[in-house]
Amino acid sequence: DTGVSQNPRHKITKRGQNVTFRCDPISEHNRLYWYRQTLGQGPEFLTYFQNEAQLEKSRLLSDRFSAERPKGSFSTLEIQRTEQGDSAMYLCASSLHSGGAFNEQFFGPGTRLTVL
Amino acid sequence: GEDVEQSLFLSVREGDSSVINCTYTDSSSTYLYWYKQEPGAGLQLLTYIFSNMDMKQDQRLTVLLNKKDKHLSLRIADTQTGDSAIYFCAEWPGYQKVTFGIGTKLQVIP
Repeated sequence: DTGVSQNPRHKITKRGQNVTFRCDPISEHNRLYWYRQTLGQGPEFLTYFQNEAQLEKSRLLSDRFSAERPKGSFSTLEIQRTEQGDSAMYLCASSLHSGGAFNEQFFGPGTRLTVL
Repeated sequence: GEDVEQSLFLSVREGDSSVINCTYTDSSSTYLYWYKQEPGAGLQLLTYIFSNMDMKQDQRLTVLLNKKDKHLSLRIADTQTGDSAIYFCAEWPGYQKVTFGIGTKLQVIP
């Protein structure tokens, strides 16, 4: 399977714990995006990387959230001191930016986080 | 600011046409997208339209864009039970942030 993969698919944690999610993009894609989707809502942009550089962060990304893409391939999203409001589906997407205007984002299946 | 609005629910009978509507606010949107999300799956790009187009047809899918009214619609001809899903309208103004609507749940009745 050469699509975007995310691990774990489900994570249940207690409030106050730290969690880390991983996203493996399509191998030749240079851009990687993180979104959050709560129940009954559309995905909300969190941040994106071009190669290893984090180029944009949403104001939704509080200080408790940090994302990395150290080698320009896979990415991790860490949430520290989780709160119940962090419960959501975290979606990763990747795209190949080649200078043209349109770049289709391919989405992974998501990691569903439940904070008890 | 960016805001994308959609109705929450649509129910159609198998074989009928479905029309899902969307309004957006960012007049600088370059591309407008329709994504499909099935239960437990990620988002799948169904089709998109460039802002200088009025219509795009792709097999059973027809996208209509009214830039003046900032209105986008997706028509699915001969709707099948496999089309049951949540459909998201999204806009991209040319920067990297894609703004999604809340999603329209399409229920196809056999």
